[in-house]
Amino acid sequence: GQNIDQPTEMTATEGAIVQINCTYQTSGFNGLFWYQQHAGEAPTFLSYNVLDGLEEKGRFSSFLSRSKGYSYLLLKELQMKDSASYLCAVVDSNYQLIWGAGTKLIIKP
Amino acid sequence: GAVVSQHPSWVICKSGTSVKIECRSLDFQATTMFWYRQFPKQSLMLMATSNEGSKATYEQGVEKDKFLINHASLTLSTLTVTSAHPEDSSFYICSARPTGIDTEAFFGQGTRLTVV
Repeated sequence: GQNIDQPTEMTATEGAIVQINCTYQTSGFNGLFWYQQHAGEAPTFLSYNVLDGLEEKGRFSSFLSRSKGYSYLLLKELQMKDSASYLCAVVDSNYQLIWGAGTKLIIKP
Repeated sequence: GAVVSQHPSWVICKSGTSVKIECRSLDFQATTMFWYRQFPKQSLMLMATSNEGSKATYEQGVEKDKFLINHASLTLSTLTVTSAHPEDSSFYICSARPTGIDTEAFFGQGTRLTVV
């Protein structure tokens, strides 16, 4: 079967750094997305990785290791507005998105 | 960035009626669009994959006769919830992927459906 695992909830302090991990077992791999979702809103695109390595975009970075079936999203200089759910999604061999359940990130002052 | 417009943003309908939700890619062509449903405190669940000019592919457990999907052009896909019931109340979101696999998927703003 296909499976995406991410922690259910994480807590971090404003100004700190947090890493959200995602492991996957899917039928084929055509890329991995990270999305941010605030309650009641549609997800917002954060990053897309298809090759191994680290992609940096401002305060957010995403890493991928295809051989390990592993990705992480790194958030630096955390702000209160970063409190949200972070969704990991893998594009499988049929070009469909396989979604993780999301990680709820709580930022404390 | 590319824009996906979803309409309406919210709708309230009576039980037994049908509701149509539109998903438009405004400045790009999308051969494939995806329809998701999100229940409270749950992650997005893929309902179906909509391919322009062909029948949609539904996920297991999704009733194709209840959730009618039409993708008649490269910029428009519609989801019709037929004979809606209160249990169909949910947040429905579409996404569209521009042609080419190494591209982002862009999401619409979502439609909150309430069936009374």
